Amino acid sequence: DVKVTQSSRYLVKRTGEKVFLECVQDMDHENMFWYRQDPGLGLRLIYFSYDVKMKEKGDIPEGYSVSREKKERFSLILESASTNQTSMYLCASSSPGGLAKNIQYFGAGTRLSVL
Amino acid sequence: AQKITQTQPGMFVQEKEAVTLDCTYDTSDPSYGLFWYKQPSSGEMIFLIYQGSYDQQNATEGRYSLNFQKARKSANLVISASQLGDSAMYFCAMREAGYGGATNKLIFGTGTLLAVQP
Repeated sequence: DVKVTQSSRYLVKRTGEKVFLECVQDMDHENMFWYRQDPGLGLRLIYFSYDVKMKEKGDIPEGYSVSREKKERFSLILESASTNQTSMYLCASSSPGGLAKNIQYFGAGTRLSVL
Repeated sequence: AQKITQTQPGMFVQEKEAVTLDCTYDTSDPSYGLFWYKQPSSGEMIFLIYQGSYDQQNATEGRYSLNFQKARKSANLVISASQLGDSAMYFCAMREAGYGGATNKLIFGTGTLLAVQP
């Protein structure tokens, strides 16, 4: 069974704190993704990585950074958390795309509240 | 610009009936893929079904089928014989070969909340 594990289901942090969201996959996938999900907006891509130490900005990268030191692990970092970063964060992984089916597999999500 | 539109914010369906969730897309790329995901209240996104733009037949996976109308740019999800466990949020997503490329990036719609009534 494929597995994407996010380290926390719920997090509560204070404004200005540095926050780390961790994601681990056991499928040897090259691609990993971080999304943010807000009501009425669907899922929006924050950052993705297509190889170790390689990353690209998604649609809403402002206020976030990422780290991928090992193939199986992709971390999302909020350098200085703000209340508008209160949201559901979803991690996903997949094989490279192109024309193939290449499903993105998701973790269970982390609900982050910034107070 | 590429876009996915789900016009139904929420729907009710009676148990054992069929239901259609609408999805339209906009792309100028001839090569693309369409996905449907289910998100129960637990939060995890579960892959349901995939349709490639060059696939000749509509995709089916058990009780799920995808009504793919290429000329109309629609990819509606049909769930037959609804069950209480089908109550969830459903997302339509698209990958363009040009946009996503080897990185396999997806664009998601805003989702439809389905409630199955006993």
